[in-house]
Amino acid sequence: SQLAEENSWALSVHEGESVTVNCSYKTSITALQWYRQKSGKGPAQLILIRSNEREKRNGRLRATLDTSSQSSSLSITATRCEDTAVYFCATYGSSGNKLIFGIGTLLSVKP
Amino acid sequence: AQTIHQWPVAEIKAVGSPLSLGCTIKGKSSPNLYWYWQATGGTLQQLFYSITVGQVESVVQLNLSASRPKDDQFILSTEKLLLSHSGFYLCAWSLDWGVQDTQYFGPGTRLLVL
Repeated sequence: SQLAEENSWALSVHEGESVTVNCSYKTSITALQWYRQKSGKGPAQLILIRSNEREKRNGRLRATLDTSSQSSSLSITATRCEDTAVYFCATYGSSGNKLIFGIGTLLSVKP
Repeated sequence: AQTIHQWPVAEIKAVGSPLSLGCTIKGKSSPNLYWYWQATGGTLQQLFYSITVGQVESVVQLNLSASRPKDDQFILSTEKLLLSHSGFYLCAWSLDWGVQDTQYFGPGTRLLVL
């Protein structure tokens, strides 16, 4: 079973708009990571947010973490066509040796 | 700067044939290394990890094996490919361990088994 999963299969926005990808997870965590994978490439980490952090920013990206509802969100402002990608949230399993990815959300940013 | 290289870029192989995929990391000493598999349109599934030369731990059984013959090299292989082995294979490295770990992924190898 998935430890973490995004709540939408796909999202579509126009350039310049803001968008939020949501993720829910099932067990207590120490940190949650957001990755982005562009077509045909390997994933790249965007943000790592620890359980004692409520919010973390990286340029146009903002991640939030709500440990009480076991959920996280990744917001992108002023989207660009190059933000088109699959966005994954990921957490470690209880043994600490396996990074488990959600199913991913495909974000399409249209001109 | 550290670089991660995977080879080959893509392969088309017959069912039952052997397979060897490689990964090298340059610019980092004693990294943790990982193999992932991704079905088309699917999520990433961690297959193996290695903390040091000669030691590999299996995470998921998919009739594949892995070896780490050198500090900077990670090999994924099988003697007999199955149709279900088709997909995108990604190698990754990290320096830390556990929940604070950031993993850096290579460009991947696309495999089609016919």
